[in-house]
Parts: sequence; C-alpha cells; structure tokens
Amino acid sequence: KAGVTQTPRYLIKTRGQQVTLSCSPISGHRSVSWYQQTPGQGLQFLFEYFSETQRNKGNFPGRFSGRQFSNSRSEMNVSTLELGDSALYLCASSLVGLAGGKNIQYFGAGTRLSVL
Amino acid sequence: DQQVKQNSPSLSVQEGRISILNCDYTNSMFDYFLWYKKYPAEGPTFLISISSIKDKNEDGRFTVFLNKSAKHLSLHIVPSQPGDSAVYFCAASNLLGLNAGGTSYGKLTFGQGTILTVHP
Repeated sequence: KAGVTQTPRYLIKTRGQQVTLSCSPISGHRSVSWYQQTPGQGLQFLFEYFSETQRNKGNFPGRFSGRQFSNSRSEMNVSTLELGDSALYLCASSLVGLAGGKNIQYFGAGTRLSVL
Repeated sequence: DQQVKQNSPSLSVQEGRISILNCDYTNSMFDYFLWYKKYPAEGPTFLISISSIKDKNEDGRFTVFLNKSAKHLSLHIVPSQPGDSAVYFCAASNLLGLNAGGTSYGKLTFGQGTILTVHP
C-alpha cells in the first residue's frame, strides 16, 4: 500500500508570494492533518480535513488555508509569504482522524519551504 | 504554553544497552499517547502508542510506560541498535474530548524531540 505522498518536496519562494502544497493520503484514509515543523516551535498542528470539511484548526493566521477534495487529497495554501513561514510542512493521514486508537496518523516526507 | 515536553534534547547510548526517552505532559485531558521516530529528510514514523487506561504497552524491542499521576511517559528500547539513531517525538491526543463533542479531530500535540545516538 502506498504511503502518504507530498509534493513538491522542496520549494523556494520570495516574500509576498503565495504557495500551494499537495498531499495524497493513504488509500482509504479520509482524514488529512497538516503540521508545520520549525526549529524553534517544533511540530505544530495547522488544521484537519475530513470529507472535504475542515473540522479542526490550530493557532495560525488566516494566511494559512487548506481544502480537501472528494478523493481525500488535500492542499494547503499560504498567501503573502513571510520569512517566518520557512519550515517543513508535514501532512498526515488517518482512517477517520481520531488521532488515536486504531486511527494512527501516518506522515508524508514533507515539503521543505524556503522563503527568501 | 508547551503542553508536551521532552526535556532531554539528546541521548547517547552504546549498542546493546537500553535507551530510555522521557516525556512529560501538563494537559490532564490527554488520554492517548504516541511515539514517533524521525530520520532526516523523512516524515515521522509511528512506533508505538498507549491509551490512558493502560500503564504499559510492548511491541518487540519497544516498550512505552505511562504514569498518569505523574503525567509522565517513557519509551524504552532494548537492545538499542545503531539503526535506532534518529529524533524521537512523543505526541498526545484527546480522544475523550472528541467523544464528548470536543474539537480534537486530527490533532496531535508534539514534544520538541530527543536526538538518540546509538554508538556501535
């Protein structure tokens, strides 16, 4: 069974631009969560999608948004990029998003975003 | 407010010995805990988990212990192997809050990670 796939793996943008990252979950998984990893803040939860609906959101500004398609693939978008948005963005999928029990989150390799 | 803490940034162990990684949490609503391992340029890989109704869970060389009164969990790796060298993250979630209509969907709260180095 294929794992979680994130594209692209690396991205370089300049301040003020916007970026879209893509995540394809494990087949059959309907929940997709996004995390930001930085050296200073560690792994922080951005949001979670299930059946094309955002069910949970972390403490990030509105410049961070996402969506999920009917095939459970998800995208996240960051508008008006700032230097501090440079990070590794990780996507995780699980069966139904309970983040526990049998619904373990499985992570992709991430997209490394550099904002210059 | 860091709700999950791994106070040891790094740990160095000899091959064949035991590795003990520690994690503390402050939020008493957490009821499910997980350990992930992360190699450079890869995403975190799930290792083992434990529910708050248990105090121990084993899977091969990995054992997780949970002390709810102390809000502390630990991961034991026995015997340690050089291939275990990686960053280890503990993570917590709130399933009961979800079942009670909370907003815990899809959210794991992570510690800062501990770099484990196993020397041959």
